[in-house]
Amino acid sequence: DTGVSQNPRHKITKRGQNVTFRCDPISEHNRLYWYRQTLGQGPEFLTYFQNEAQLEKSRLLSDRFSAERPKGSFSTLEIQRTEQGDSAMYLCASSLGLGVGEQFFGPGTRLTVL
Amino acid sequence: KQEVTQIPAALSVPEGENLVLNCSFTDSAIYNLQWFRQDPGKGLTSLLLIQSSQREQTSGRLNASLDKSSGRSTLYIAASQPGDSATYLCAVRPSTGANSKLTFGKGITLSVRP
Repeated sequence: DTGVSQNPRHKITKRGQNVTFRCDPISEHNRLYWYRQTLGQGPEFLTYFQNEAQLEKSRLLSDRFSAERPKGSFSTLEIQRTEQGDSAMYLCASSLGLGVGEQFFGPGTRLTVL
Repeated sequence: KQEVTQIPAALSVPEGENLVLNCSFTDSAIYNLQWFRQDPGKGLTSLLLIQSSQREQTSGRLNASLDKSSGRSTLYIAASQPGDSATYLCAVRPSTGANSKLTFGKGITLSVRP
């Protein structure tokens, strides 16, 4: 595996349910990012980890959102009590902490909240 | 607050044409700029990364330039092909702070007609 992977690729849920997404970064990358993209827009930053430490969260990340990166490897993004406005593509990216820090993106998880 | 603009939102050209995609940003304090390609419903593929100290980068038929002082970047695609049809996004990384989050434009949707 040479790229960033995300699971599931698609998720359909009913309003009010909780959902969890997983991201597996490129193995040697210590930085991991979550972005959200809605139709016709560019991705917007949600949160960022360096190793297991969550260093910044966007104001877009309401209290219903939580992200973890235990042991500095894979990361999970959980949305509690989903709302229709949460429908979007959730993208994960990873990069090396040193050098130019080029970010490599996964295929995304498309969330549809009914 | 950094803002990234890509105009026009969509572009249609005949196969074989050379074309230029524009990107502008409001804050010149950037560390680097990345150009991405996104196919419908998919994740982002990194095309080129230009460091703030560089003027251009080339990869195959693609050439990206950067004029940091004027807040502009261009992506030049030579001899366009139908397979180049996709959305092209530019994103900037700030030079200040520990966070390396990217700020994206909304993208330019390119259609190359056979």
